[in-house]
Amino acid sequence: GAVVSQHPSRVICKSGTSVKIECRSLDFQATTMFWYRQFPKQSLMLMATSNEGSKATYEQGVEKDKFLINHASLTLSTLTVTSAHPEDSSFYICSARGTEPYEQYFGPGTRLTVT
Amino acid sequence: GQNIDQPTEMTATEGAIVQINCTYQTSGFNGLFWYQQHAGEAPTFLSYNVLDGLEEKGRFSSFLSRSKGYSYLLLKELQMKDSASYLCAAMDSNYQLIWGAGTKLIIKP
Repeated sequence: GAVVSQHPSRVICKSGTSVKIECRSLDFQATTMFWYRQFPKQSLMLMATSNEGSKATYEQGVEKDKFLINHASLTLSTLTVTSAHPEDSSFYICSARGTEPYEQYFGPGTRLTVT
Repeated sequence: GQNIDQPTEMTATEGAIVQINCTYQTSGFNGLFWYQQHAGEAPTFLSYNVLDGLEEKGRFSSFLSRSKGYSYLLLKELQMKDSASYLCAAMDSNYQLIWGAGTKLIIKP
């Protein structure tokens, strides 16, 4: 299957700082990338959908000014958590979709801890 | 509304067979996915069904009935490493995945 990488895998930051998470599709072009958040013992929650070259579509309840998404190329999307707070601590997972709508591959996830 | 239902937790014995059920209601339908997620890791793809019937892939099989809005994941010859959460997700008419809450499978020796 296709490979999606995420960086960093773990990050600890202080409250009020910003953190950028990168998601890359390594061997295919991803026209669409998805960003999920998962709290302990809960299911995946879709935060936003981003298409290359256009603005991301955010799910209801997700603050677009707090979670900045950039999908500048067919292989890279970034999520920036601005002015992070302890309640933003979570497991953030990206996935990338290829040309076929049923092909969706997940990155390994980024565990964010805000102190 | 759109909804996915699957059991919260199941327990099975090593070497046995377990069936995890999933029912779905979506606006349009473009297929049903099963993912495996170990604790602290991202989901990994197991199967995709869009036509009725059973798809077999080694120890894992997945079944779909579109008329009933029903799918199941069948795991045979259970191994301890199969202990994980199993996520059911249905793809709607906009090709968005609607996720279930996941079924935590506990394997006992």
